[in-house]
Amino acid sequence: ILNVEQSPQSLHVQEGDSTNFTCSFPSSNFYALHWYRWETAKSPEALFVMTLNGDEKKKGRISATLNTKEGYSYLYIKGSQPEDSATYLCAFINQAGTALIFGKGTTLSVSS
Amino acid sequence: EAGVAQSPRYKIIEKRQSVAFWCNPISGHATLYWYQQILGQGPKLLIQFQNNGVVDDSQLPKDRFSAERLKGVDSTLKIQPAKLEDSAVYLCASSSPTSGMETQYFGPGTRLLVL
Repeated sequence: ILNVEQSPQSLHVQEGDSTNFTCSFPSSNFYALHWYRWETAKSPEALFVMTLNGDEKKKGRISATLNTKEGYSYLYIKGSQPEDSATYLCAFINQAGTALIFGKGTTLSVSS
Repeated sequence: EAGVAQSPRYKIIEKRQSVAFWCNPISGHATLYWYQQILGQGPKLLIQFQNNGVVDDSQLPKDRFSAERLKGVDSTLKIQPAKLEDSAVYLCASSSPTSGMETQYFGPGTRLLVL
Protein backbone atom coordinates (compact mmCIF):
# COMPACT_ATOMS: atom_id res chain seq x y z
CA ILE A 1 0.00 0.00 0.00
CA LEU A 2 1.48 3.35 -1.03
CA ASN A 3 1.48 5.88 1.75
CA VAL A 4 2.14 9.63 1.80
CA GLU A 5 2.97 11.16 5.16
CA GLN A 6 2.89 14.85 5.99
CA SER A 7 4.25 16.54 9.08
CA PRO A 8 3.46 18.33 11.16
CA GLN A 9 -0.30 17.72 11.14
CA SER A 10 -0.89 21.34 12.15
CA LEU A 11 1.03 24.36 13.29
CA HIS A 12 0.42 27.88 14.40
CA VAL A 13 2.85 30.71 13.64
CA GLN A 14 2.96 34.45 14.05
CA GLU A 15 2.81 36.83 11.11
CA GLY A 16 6.29 37.28 9.69
CA ASP A 17 7.57 33.88 10.80
CA SER A 18 9.02 31.52 8.23
CA THR A 19 7.94 27.91 8.33
CA ASN A 20 8.29 24.61 6.53
CA PHE A 21 6.45 21.32 6.18
CA THR A 22 7.52 17.86 5.13
CA CYS A 23 5.99 15.38 2.72
CA SER A 24 7.34 11.81 2.67
CA PHE A 25 6.52 9.37 -0.09
CA PRO A 26 7.73 6.02 -1.50
CA SER A 27 10.98 6.61 -3.39
CA SER A 28 10.68 3.68 -5.78
CA ASN A 29 9.20 4.25 -9.25
CA PHE A 30 8.72 7.95 -8.55
CA TYR A 31 6.89 9.91 -11.23
CA ALA A 32 5.60 13.23 -9.86
CA LEU A 33 4.80 15.11 -6.67
CA HIS A 34 2.09 17.74 -6.41
CA TRP A 35 1.56 20.43 -3.77
CA TYR A 36 -1.86 22.05 -3.23
CA ARG A 37 -3.16 24.75 -0.93
CA TRP A 38 -6.71 24.40 0.36
CA GLU A 39 -8.34 27.33 2.09
CA THR A 40 -11.56 26.76 3.99
CA ALA A 41 -14.67 26.90 1.79
CA LYS A 42 -12.57 27.32 -1.36
CA SER A 43 -11.22 25.03 -4.06
CA PRO A 44 -7.85 23.36 -3.56
CA GLU A 45 -5.32 25.42 -5.51
CA ALA A 46 -2.33 23.92 -7.26
CA LEU A 47 1.04 25.24 -6.10
CA PHE A 48 3.66 23.03 -7.72
CA VAL A 49 4.15 19.88 -9.76
CA MET A 50 7.63 18.48 -9.29
CA THR A 51 9.25 15.67 -11.22
CA LEU A 52 13.05 15.93 -11.07
CA ASN A 53 15.29 14.99 -8.17
CA GLY A 54 16.84 18.12 -6.73
CA ASP A 55 14.15 20.30 -8.29
CA GLU A 56 13.31 23.53 -6.53
CA LYS A 57 10.27 25.62 -7.40
CA LYS A 58 9.16 29.01 -6.17
CA LYS A 59 5.92 30.99 -6.25
CA GLY A 60 6.14 34.29 -4.43
CA ARG A 61 7.02 33.58 -0.80
CA ILE A 62 6.41 29.85 -1.17
CA SER A 63 9.02 27.41 -2.40
CA ALA A 64 9.43 23.66 -2.53
CA THR A 65 12.26 21.19 -2.89
CA LEU A 66 12.24 17.57 -3.98
CA ASN A 67 14.44 14.60 -3.09
CA THR A 68 13.22 11.56 -5.02
CA LYS A 69 16.06 9.28 -3.89
CA GLU A 70 15.13 9.52 -0.22
CA GLY A 71 11.45 10.21 -0.81
CA TYR A 72 10.72 13.62 0.63
CA SER A 73 9.72 17.13 -0.33
CA TYR A 74 9.83 20.30 1.74
CA LEU A 75 7.47 23.24 1.38
CA TYR A 76 8.77 26.57 2.72
CA ILE A 77 6.82 29.74 3.42
CA LYS A 78 8.90 32.85 4.01
CA GLY A 79 7.42 35.63 6.11
CA SER A 80 4.04 34.01 6.76
CA GLN A 81 0.95 36.17 6.35
CA PRO A 82 -2.58 35.55 7.69
CA GLU A 83 -3.72 34.82 4.13
CA ASP A 84 -1.34 31.85 4.08
CA SER A 85 -3.61 30.12 6.60
CA ALA A 86 -4.79 26.96 4.84
CA THR A 87 -4.26 23.23 4.63
CA TYR A 88 -1.29 22.28 2.47
CA LEU A 89 -1.63 18.93 0.72
CA CYS A 90 0.99 16.95 -1.09
CA ALA A 91 0.13 14.15 -3.52
CA PHE A 92 2.35 11.51 -5.08
CA ILE A 93 2.06 9.41 -8.20
CA ASN A 94 4.38 6.60 -9.26
CA GLN A 95 5.14 5.28 -12.70
CA ALA A 96 2.63 2.48 -12.43
CA GLY A 97 -0.21 4.59 -11.12
CA THR A 98 -2.94 6.63 -12.64
CA ALA A 99 -4.13 8.32 -9.47
CA LEU A 100 -2.67 10.89 -7.11
CA ILE A 101 -2.23 9.61 -3.58
CA PHE A 102 -2.70 12.43 -1.11
CA GLY A 103 -1.28 12.94 2.34
CA LYS A 104 -3.51 14.11 5.17
CA GLY A 105 -2.22 17.64 4.89
CA THR A 106 -0.58 20.20 7.15
CA THR A 107 -2.95 22.85 8.50
CA LEU A 108 -1.23 26.20 8.95
CA SER A 109 -2.67 29.00 11.02
CA VAL A 110 -1.00 32.41 10.87
CA SER A 111 -2.01 35.01 13.41
CA SER A 112 -1.41 38.73 13.10
CA GLU B 1 -11.34 30.85 -17.86
CA ALA B 2 -14.14 29.43 -15.72
CA GLY B 3 -13.09 26.95 -13.08
CA VAL B 4 -14.55 23.59 -12.14
CA ALA B 5 -18.14 24.00 -11.01
CA GLN B 6 -19.84 21.75 -8.48
CA SER B 7 -23.31 21.64 -6.99
CA PRO B 8 -24.75 21.56 -4.49
CA ARG B 9 -22.16 23.06 -2.13
CA TYR B 10 -23.76 21.52 0.95
CA LYS B 11 -26.14 18.63 1.48
CA ILE B 12 -27.64 17.11 4.60
CA ILE B 13 -29.51 13.81 4.29
CA GLU B 14 -30.55 10.95 6.49
CA LYS B 15 -28.96 7.54 6.20
CA ARG B 16 -30.46 5.28 3.59
CA GLN B 17 -31.49 8.27 1.46
CA SER B 18 -30.04 8.91 -1.98
CA VAL B 19 -28.00 11.89 -3.08
CA ALA B 20 -26.43 13.10 -6.31
CA PHE B 21 -23.62 15.54 -6.98
CA TRP B 22 -22.91 17.37 -10.22
CA CYS B 23 -19.64 18.54 -11.71
CA ASN B 24 -18.85 20.67 -14.75
CA PRO B 25 -15.12 20.54 -15.57
CA ILE B 26 -13.02 23.20 -17.23
CA SER B 27 -13.89 23.42 -20.90
CA GLY B 28 -11.73 21.15 -23.01
CA HIS B 29 -10.41 19.04 -20.13
CA ALA B 30 -10.66 15.41 -21.12
CA THR B 31 -9.93 13.95 -17.70
CA LEU B 32 -12.31 14.23 -14.77
CA TYR B 33 -11.81 12.95 -11.23
CA TRP B 34 -14.06 12.47 -8.22
CA TYR B 35 -12.40 12.44 -4.81
CA GLN B 36 -13.77 11.76 -1.33
CA GLN B 37 -12.17 13.63 1.55
CA ILE B 38 -13.21 12.41 4.99
CA LEU B 39 -12.42 14.75 7.88
CA GLY B 40 -8.83 14.31 9.02
CA GLN B 41 -7.77 12.40 5.92
CA GLY B 42 -6.42 13.32 2.51
CA PRO B 43 -8.58 13.21 -0.61
CA LYS B 44 -9.05 9.69 -1.96
CA LEU B 45 -9.75 9.05 -5.63
CA LEU B 46 -13.13 7.42 -6.23
CA ILE B 47 -13.22 7.42 -10.01
CA GLN B 48 -11.30 8.85 -12.97
CA PHE B 49 -12.80 9.41 -16.42
CA GLN B 50 -10.98 9.99 -19.68
CA ASN B 51 -13.63 11.60 -21.89
CA ASN B 52 -16.64 9.39 -21.14
CA GLY B 53 -14.67 6.22 -20.37
CA VAL B 54 -13.64 5.01 -16.91
CA VAL B 55 -9.86 4.86 -16.33
CA ASP B 56 -9.83 3.91 -12.65
CA ASP B 57 -12.72 3.09 -10.33
CA SER B 58 -10.87 0.65 -8.11
CA GLN B 59 -11.73 2.55 -4.92
CA LEU B 60 -15.36 3.27 -5.75
CA PRO B 61 -17.76 1.34 -3.44
CA LYS B 62 -19.81 0.06 -6.32
CA ASP B 63 -22.55 -1.41 -4.16
CA ARG B 64 -23.74 2.10 -3.33
CA PHE B 65 -21.78 4.60 -5.43
CA SER B 66 -22.17 5.21 -9.14
CA ALA B 67 -20.84 7.83 -11.50
CA GLU B 68 -21.31 8.73 -15.10
CA ARG B 69 -19.93 11.22 -17.55
CA LEU B 70 -22.29 11.35 -20.46
CA LYS B 71 -20.95 13.00 -23.60
CA GLY B 72 -17.55 13.36 -21.93
CA VAL B 73 -18.31 16.69 -20.29
CA ASP B 74 -20.43 16.99 -17.13
CA SER B 75 -20.43 14.25 -14.55
CA THR B 76 -22.70 13.10 -11.75
CA LEU B 77 -21.80 11.05 -8.70
CA LYS B 78 -24.60 9.25 -6.89
CA ILE B 79 -24.81 7.53 -3.53
CA GLN B 80 -27.70 5.15 -2.98
CA PRO B 81 -28.32 4.40 -0.15
CA ALA B 82 -26.13 6.68 1.95
CA LYS B 83 -24.42 5.55 5.14
CA LEU B 84 -23.14 7.60 8.06
CA GLU B 85 -19.55 6.98 6.97
CA ASP B 86 -20.24 8.69 3.63
CA SER B 87 -20.16 12.06 5.39
CA ALA B 88 -17.30 13.83 3.62
CA VAL B 89 -16.35 16.48 1.12
CA TYR B 90 -16.72 15.28 -2.46
CA LEU B 91 -14.27 17.03 -4.76
CA CYS B 92 -14.36 17.08 -8.52
CA ALA B 93 -11.23 17.90 -10.50
CA SER B 94 -10.25 18.04 -14.15
CA SER B 95 -7.06 18.06 -16.16
CA SER B 96 -5.91 17.90 -19.73
CA PRO B 97 -4.22 15.78 -20.79
CA THR B 98 -3.37 13.22 -18.11
CA SER B 99 0.02 11.70 -17.37
CA GLY B 100 0.34 12.37 -13.66
CA MET B 101 2.40 15.48 -14.24
CA GLU B 102 -0.46 17.78 -15.18
CA THR B 103 -2.04 20.05 -12.63
CA GLN B 104 -5.49 18.97 -11.53
CA TYR B 105 -7.94 21.83 -11.15
CA PHE B 106 -10.41 21.35 -8.34
CA GLY B 107 -13.92 22.57 -7.74
CA PRO B 108 -15.02 23.88 -4.33
CA GLY B 109 -16.47 20.52 -3.33
CA THR B 110 -19.79 19.33 -1.98
CA ARG B 111 -19.94 18.90 1.78
CA LEU B 112 -22.21 15.97 2.61
CA LEU B 113 -23.50 15.23 6.07
CA VAL B 114 -25.37 11.97 6.60
CA LEU B 115 -27.45 11.84 9.78
